[in-house]
Amino acid sequence: AQSVTQLDSHVSVSEGTPVLLRCNYSSSYSPSLFWYVQHPNKGLQLLLKYTSAATLVKGINGFEAEFKKSETSFHLTKPSAHMSDAAEYFCVVSDDLNYQLIWGAGTKLIIKP
Amino acid sequence: ETGVTQSPTHLIKTRGQQVTLRCSSQSGHNTVSWYQQALGQGPQFIFQYYREEENGRGNFPPRFSGLQFPNYSSELNVNALELDDSALYLCASRTGTSGSYNEQFFGPGTRLTVL
Repeated sequence: AQSVTQLDSHVSVSEGTPVLLRCNYSSSYSPSLFWYVQHPNKGLQLLLKYTSAATLVKGINGFEAEFKKSETSFHLTKPSAHMSDAAEYFCVVSDDLNYQLIWGAGTKLIIKP
Repeated sequence: ETGVTQSPTHLIKTRGQQVTLRCSSQSGHNTVSWYQQALGQGPQFIFQYYREEENGRGNFPPRFSGLQFPNYSSELNVNALELDDSALYLCASRTGTSGSYNEQFFGPGTRLTVL
């Protein structure tokens, strides 16, 4: 069965410093993985997706993630945090057998001025 | 191009009542998925409709039901509401049926409160 674990419920960084949001996955086959962002009172937005092409995936707003099969990880990073990055971030794996997305519990990113 | 829209934005119901939530998919999208997002949690998959038929369902009881119309808009119906049904209900649309390669576009959600 597919599952994802987001290792931190909250991450707090200062503006201008790097961001690391951690995600581990479990999958019985080669997974498709996604990161979504949810700003308050706004819809979920896709940041980036991994679909068995390049292991380093670049997304919008300067975010990127690296797929590491040996570590079953798909961590999200950004070199320099901006105040507008404050939001909830979700790591997601696709369960193609059941036509659904499996979501992590989310990581709330807090940006300190 | 119009994005995914949902109505109403907020709703308050009492236990035992029934509710219908509506979703208009993005133009050109034939697949709609519904999710329940409880406070402080990630979305949970309820079900998916592809060309007017349900073709995937999560771990939700039968009192959660849905419809998809020929224009690919969709409804989520919940009968016999319980307090735990209080949540943000999200609709997402895409083309095709697999979640792997086709991005899902989400609506802003309907906030349901059950008293």
